[in-house]
Amino acid sequence: AQSVAQPEDQVNVAEGNPLTVKCTYSVSGNPYLFWYVQYPNRGLQFLLKYITGDNLVKGSYGFEAEFNKSQTSFHLKKPSALVSDSALYFCAVRVRGILTGGGNKLTFGTGTQLKVEL
Amino acid sequence: DTGVSQDPRHKITKRGQNVTFRCDPISEHNRLYWYRQTLGQGPEFLTYFQNEAQLEKSRLLSDRFSAERPKGSFSTLEIQRTEQGDSAMYLCASSLATGRVSHGYTFGSGTRLTVV
Repeated sequence: AQSVAQPEDQVNVAEGNPLTVKCTYSVSGNPYLFWYVQYPNRGLQFLLKYITGDNLVKGSYGFEAEFNKSQTSFHLKKPSALVSDSALYFCAVRVRGILTGGGNKLTFGTGTQLKVEL
Repeated sequence: DTGVSQDPRHKITKRGQNVTFRCDPISEHNRLYWYRQTLGQGPEFLTYFQNEAQLEKSRLLSDRFSAERPKGSFSTLEIQRTEQGDSAMYLCASSLATGRVSHGYTFGSGTRLTVV
């Protein structure tokens, strides 16, 4: 079975400091990995994805993530956090569908609440 | 607005009633997904369509749930005989898939269902 683990329910960071939100995954074959952000009572907004190629992926709003195959990790990072980054962050992995041969649905982690304080 | 639209944003219903939600995807997207998100959890896959064909259903989708995408454009998700455990945020997403590659998912803002 494919799964995603986000070991921290909450991460607290001071504004201006670097932030890291952790994600590890388990999947058969090569993973497609994603990060989404969710603000209260809103849907998910796409931040970045890893499909293939360079292990360091750059995304929206200054976020980046590093794919580490040996550690099966895809941690989200930002060099300098902003108060406006405070939100719920989800890591997701793409898995193969049951009825079709292609990868279709996303499996999400349980989310990490990021709180950036002044 | 050219994003994914969901209607209604909020729905409060009594246990045992039927409810229907609508999702309008990005017009050129051929794939449409439904997810359910409960408090403190990540979204869980329910079902997905490629054009009008429903290609996969999760085991979470009991017989009380049905989804349609009759013309390959908008989709509806119906829950019959609602139960309190159905209370959740129902998210719709769409994507453009060419061949075996999907070019990223766009999510709607969701429909929050409360069953009382």
